[in-house]
Amino acid sequence: GQQLNQSPQSMFIQEGEDVSMNCTSSSIFNTWLWYKQDPGEGPVLLIALYKAGELTSNGRLTAQFGITRKDSFLNISASIPSDVGIYFCAGPNSGGGADGLTFGKGTHLIIQP
Amino acid sequence: ETGVTQTPRHLVMGMTNKKSLKCEQHLGHNAMYWYKQSAKKPLELMFVYNFKEQTENNSVPSRFSPECPNSSHLFLHLHTLQPEDSALYLCASSQDRVNRGPLILFGSGTRLTVV
Repeated sequence: GQQLNQSPQSMFIQEGEDVSMNCTSSSIFNTWLWYKQDPGEGPVLLIALYKAGELTSNGRLTAQFGITRKDSFLNISASIPSDVGIYFCAGPNSGGGADGLTFGKGTHLIIQP
Repeated sequence: ETGVTQTPRHLVMGMTNKKSLKCEQHLGHNAMYWYKQSAKKPLELMFVYNFKEQTENNSVPSRFSPECPNSSHLFLHLHTLQPEDSALYLCASSQDRVNRGPLILFGSGTRLTVV
């Protein structure tokens, strides 16, 4: 099956720092999604990317769809305490349509005071 | 609030119990999903329903039994579970969009503990 590799697994940063994380795949995706999950909650969709090379922002978050269609990155600028959580990348399963998503293992973001 | 509502939020059950998880959405989405999230593992897709028809069952043990009576409601019936089934069970829904892939929205999950 498809697999998504996220890195880093965890990040320990100071408030105010910029954050960068990425996701790679051995197969091509036609859509990349980035989610954030707070403790005890379900993942919340942050950004959706649909075209190779596409760069999309949502407030302090920016994500890019890699040219090869096998990778994507997510940047967070000027991190704040509420950015703490787990960030997941995801892509549609190979069957297409309503076949669900494959998720990466997540990047844990921890902000040190 | 994503519009996907799951109940209960927490559930503790014995291995001989029978319980059900409920999910509903009134977003007009045509597909609904059950995912399992265990510690240190990626989210695992369990079941997919598209227009009330089950289109995917990812080799899930028969002690998990889904039911989708209509496009807005999804259940997961549980019986004779094992302690290793303890996890966060997430319901999600999506509206299929041509050439764009599904935009999946999740509920808050049910934290299940099997004792």
